[in-house]
Amino acid sequence: NAGVTQTPKFRVLKTGQSMTLLCAQDMNHEYMYWYRQDPGMGLRLIHYSVGEGTTAKGEVPDGYNVSRLKKQNFLLGLESAAPSQTSVYFCASSFIRVLIYEQYFGPGTRLTVT
Amino acid sequence: ELKVEQNPLFLSMQEGKNYTIYCNYSTTSDRLYWYRQDPGKSLESLFVLLSNGAVKQEGRLMASLDTKARLSTLHITAAVHDLSATYFCAGNDQGGKLIFGQGTELSVKP
Repeated sequence: NAGVTQTPKFRVLKTGQSMTLLCAQDMNHEYMYWYRQDPGMGLRLIHYSVGEGTTAKGEVPDGYNVSRLKKQNFLLGLESAAPSQTSVYFCASSFIRVLIYEQYFGPGTRLTVT
Repeated sequence: ELKVEQNPLFLSMQEGKNYTIYCNYSTTSDRLYWYRQDPGKSLESLFVLLSNGAVKQEGRLMASLDTKARLSTLHITAAVHDLSATYFCAGNDQGGKLIFGQGTELSVKP
């Protein structure tokens, strides 16, 4: 099993450009999440999904959109990139059992917006 | 809304010494999680603590949970360089979400 994979691993964008980050998991997990990690800020939740066809906003959703058309994939889109979106983005997935939300993380995508 | 705070945020230790990282959380959390992140890498799950009084150990790391005090600790025994990493705690929030602490950056020096 590959676990959680993310594409691409690195990307440089110019301000105003758009892009989509792809997250895929092969563990049949219901829940999927997108986080961003910035120095000194820990992990902040952008959007999440509790099942195919559902999405919900997290702590810092502005400037991002997501879609979960298939259970195994969770896409994060930036419509018009800004320098403030320079960050490392992590995708995670989890199954829920007895209120245990243990999450499994992908390798991350390092995004720079110039 | 759940808030999770860790201290210290930075910890420089000598090899062979013991130390504890503290994780306080603001409201009831059913579970408490500890993750490890090596520089430039992803997060790896270390422990899931399921109830008050829970204690889990793996090698030189031991995690415990006191739900009444809303406190979890990660104790490091006889630190070695390989333990240098950033450690995060997290608690359950509504709707299947985790709320993470700021992370504790641990550096173990010879």
